Amino acid sequence: DVKVTQSSRYLVKRTGEKVFLECVQDMDHENMFWYRQDPGLGLRLIYFSYDVKMKEKGDIPEGYSVSREKKERFSLILESASTNQTSMYLCASSRGTSGNQPQHFGDGTRLSIL
Amino acid sequence: AQSVSQHNHHVILSEAASLELGCNYSYGGTVNLFWYVQYPGQHLQLLLKYFSGDPLVKGIKGFEAEFIKSKFSFNLRKPSVQWSDTAEYFCAVTSHNTGKLIFGQGTTLQVKP
Repeated sequence: DVKVTQSSRYLVKRTGEKVFLECVQDMDHENMFWYRQDPGLGLRLIYFSYDVKMKEKGDIPEGYSVSREKKERFSLILESASTNQTSMYLCASSRGTSGNQPQHFGDGTRLSIL
Repeated sequence: AQSVSQHNHHVILSEAASLELGCNYSYGGTVNLFWYVQYPGQHLQLLLKYFSGDPLVKGIKGFEAEFIKSKFSFNLRKPSVQWSDTAEYFCAVTSHNTGKLIFGQGTTLQVKP
């Protein structure tokens, strides 16, 4: 069974801090994704990666960056946290590039920026 | 740009009632379609998926969905809901040659015992 592990379930940080959210998958998946989930807005894609050291902007990349130095790990970075980045963050992974493979999700990190 | 619209934001049903959740997408090409479910406190998990072939697909826990290409729809159905179906449901679509998922806004289903 695919396991996507996010480093923290809950995180509280202060405005202006640099925040790192970590995600690790154990199924050798090529693709990894970061979303944020907000009530009434569904899931919105922040960044994704099809391969090591590759990254692509999603729909809402502003204020975020990512790092993928190893295939199994995909990090989301909030360069200077702001209160409007308080949200639930979800990491996902999937196999291949055909678009017909389902994504597997982690449990999420609920991030609060004070 | 692709988009996904879920018609109902909050649905309340009694146990044994039938369920239909609407989902429409906008994309002219070949698509892959998914329904995901998020039970309280749990991660998103796949309910069912459609890539090609029979437009009526069956998923886990008695759910099914029908792809109607002419209506750009992929509605989720279950003949008789249970209290344990209380969850948030998300419709999602990818174009045929990318892995990028576009999600709908989600529908919260509350089933009363």
